[in-house]
Amino acid sequence: DTGVSQNPRHKITKRGQNVTFRCDPISEHNRLYWYRQTLGQGPEFLTYFQNEAQLEKSRLLSDRFSAERPKGSFSTLEIQRTEQGDSAMYLCASSPTGINYGYTFGSGTRLTVV
Amino acid sequence: AQSVSQHNHHVILSEAASLELGCNYSYGGTVNLFWYVQYPGQHLQLLLKYFSGDPLVKGIKGFEAEFIKSKFSFNLRKPSVQWSDTAEYFCAVTGGGNKLTFGTGTQLKVEL
Repeated sequence: DTGVSQNPRHKITKRGQNVTFRCDPISEHNRLYWYRQTLGQGPEFLTYFQNEAQLEKSRLLSDRFSAERPKGSFSTLEIQRTEQGDSAMYLCASSPTGINYGYTFGSGTRLTVV
Repeated sequence: AQSVSQHNHHVILSEAASLELGCNYSYGGTVNLFWYVQYPGQHLQLLLKYFSGDPLVKGIKGFEAEFIKSKFSFNLRKPSVQWSDTAEYFCAVTGGGNKLTFGTGTQLKVEL
């Protein structure tokens, strides 16, 4: 078990470009979560999946953001037409069914939009 | 919707000092409460959690937290901190759902 893996670790992109991040959860975890964290703030919830179904999306997730988990395993988060305000750390976490277990977080992808 | 307040944004302590970090939550129903820690350059790790039962919960590395329902609080404590406890600490809550809502975090620096 290598934990939750996120790629890439860092991404620098020009404003207006599209970016995609990948998250590989712990294999036996059927829940997967995406969070965003900016400097001086705690992680903010973006969306979560149970298996391949996206069950909840935050209002923070504008139309430019889309997330998928096509086979209930890895997930991708795409940001279209990036803006400077999208610069943040994007965190992925996974858990078994049932919040009692807490989440296991990945190391995150740091996005810088220039 | 639930929310979490951490009033101490930066705390500086000397080694062996006692630690208490405040956490208050807002939610009218049953809650599950967590403390996460993020050491420099590392990912968020679960420190301890409370679901039910004994309101005093013990976690890893000598940390403990007490759930006081009447005060909507879940403060984190450690009797004697070490330099290696330097990290950012996040309180989090779930209420009526599966998603964790985090506080803004407390940056702890322990000086030798």
